[in-house]
Amino acid sequence: EAGVAQSPRYKIIEKRQSVAFWCNPISGHATLYWYQQILGQGPKLLIQFQNNGVVDDSQLPKDRFSAERLKGVDSTLKIQPAKLEDSAVYLCASSLEVQGSGGELFFGEGSRLTVL
Amino acid sequence: SQQGEEDPQALSIQEGENATMNCSYKTSINNLQWYRQNSGRGLVHLILIRSNEREKHSGRLRVTLDTSKKSSSLLITASRAADTASYFCATSGSARQLTFGSGTQLTVLP
Repeated sequence: EAGVAQSPRYKIIEKRQSVAFWCNPISGHATLYWYQQILGQGPKLLIQFQNNGVVDDSQLPKDRFSAERLKGVDSTLKIQPAKLEDSAVYLCASSLEVQGSGGELFFGEGSRLTVL
Repeated sequence: SQQGEEDPQALSIQEGENATMNCSYKTSINNLQWYRQNSGRGLVHLILIRSNEREKHSGRLRVTLDTSKKSSSLLITASRAADTASYFCATSGSARQLTFGSGTQLTVLP
């Protein structure tokens, strides 16, 4: 079974530039998550999709971050304009079930962003 | 904000010893999960324990849950160098999102 695919693995940009990350979840997984993990910390949820609808985006900085999940499969996370504090690993995860009803998350390898 | 807090933040042991990590949380939960993260990699699910369960085993892993104290522990027996990683607890509650703690960095010395 193929895992969660993410790209790019690494990205270096200057502040105020834009960047986009792509995620392809495990086939058949209805729920997709984007997490931000700053060095030395645990992952923080940015946005959760159920199929192509947003379940929770309460912690997404909407003035600069946007995310979409077209056709309920692939997802893209965009940052525009980037700030220094956005330097982090952006993790995509998927699950068969909606959290709260049980079920594990399957994570991709992450996209490491460095903002200079 | 992060719901779970792991203790200790860092743990260093010799190969063959047991490693115990603790997790405390603040609000009621449906289940608690433990994940492992090797350096530079994504997180891997280890074990899930539901709120009505007290103990669960999986291979060399033993997880306990005390909902009255809002705490959980992860025990890794007979540790190996390959167990070196960061370990995170994550709680799932009524908000239907998984909230991660800050993690314990485990180093197993050969």
